[in-house]
Amino acid sequence: AQTVTQSQPEMSVQEAETVTLSCTYDTSESNYYLFWYKQPPSRQMILVIRQEAYKQQNATENRFSVNFQKAAKSFSLKISDSQLGDTAMYFCAFMGSNTGNQFYFGTGTSLTVIP
Amino acid sequence: EAGVAQSPRYKIIEKRQSVAFWCNPISGHATLYWYQQILGQGPKLLIQFQNNGVVDDSQLPKDRFSAERLKGVDSTLKIQPAKLEDSAVYLCASSLSRGRFGELFFGEGSRLTVL
Repeated sequence: AQTVTQSQPEMSVQEAETVTLSCTYDTSESNYYLFWYKQPPSRQMILVIRQEAYKQQNATENRFSVNFQKAAKSFSLKISDSQLGDTAMYFCAFMGSNTGNQFYFGTGTSLTVIP
Repeated sequence: EAGVAQSPRYKIIEKRQSVAFWCNPISGHATLYWYQQILGQGPKLLIQFQNNGVVDDSQLPKDRFSAERLKGVDSTLKIQPAKLEDSAVYLCASSLSRGRFGELFFGEGSRLTVL
């Protein structure tokens, strides 16, 4: 079975600073996808960034980037130049290519950006 | 493009009563998911549909929960009778079966409070 672990229940960062959210996962599959989803307070969950396991290059989307360490099964999210709108719950998610598009989510990290 | 629609947004019921939630996925999305998100936890998959067929309902408490997706479009999740521990946000999500490797699009959720 796939498991996703987020060991930081809460984090805070000063506006304009950089913060890194951690995620580890466990799987026996060789081909899979990893995602970071953002859930702002009382708003719907949206995709932040995704990474295909077969790609060695780390994904980047504007101020968001990941550090994907396949051997260590680690998938951290770095947010640069943090903005107040980044305040949200962040969920790491795993989808295996052999599990019929089923997503496994971590327990989330609550990020607060402090003005 | 219209997003995933869910209703009602909020529902308060007493234990042993019944409740139904409705979801209309993004047009053309063959895969539909219902997740339960208890406060402070990550989303937990209840049931996954591919068109109008069930792909995975292994975590659905079938003695009280039921779901259907008639005609492979919108879906209804029902709880009868409700228990206190069913208090949660029920998230509906949809995705294309192919193409952009399974990105999930979420609705705003239906928050259930069982008294």
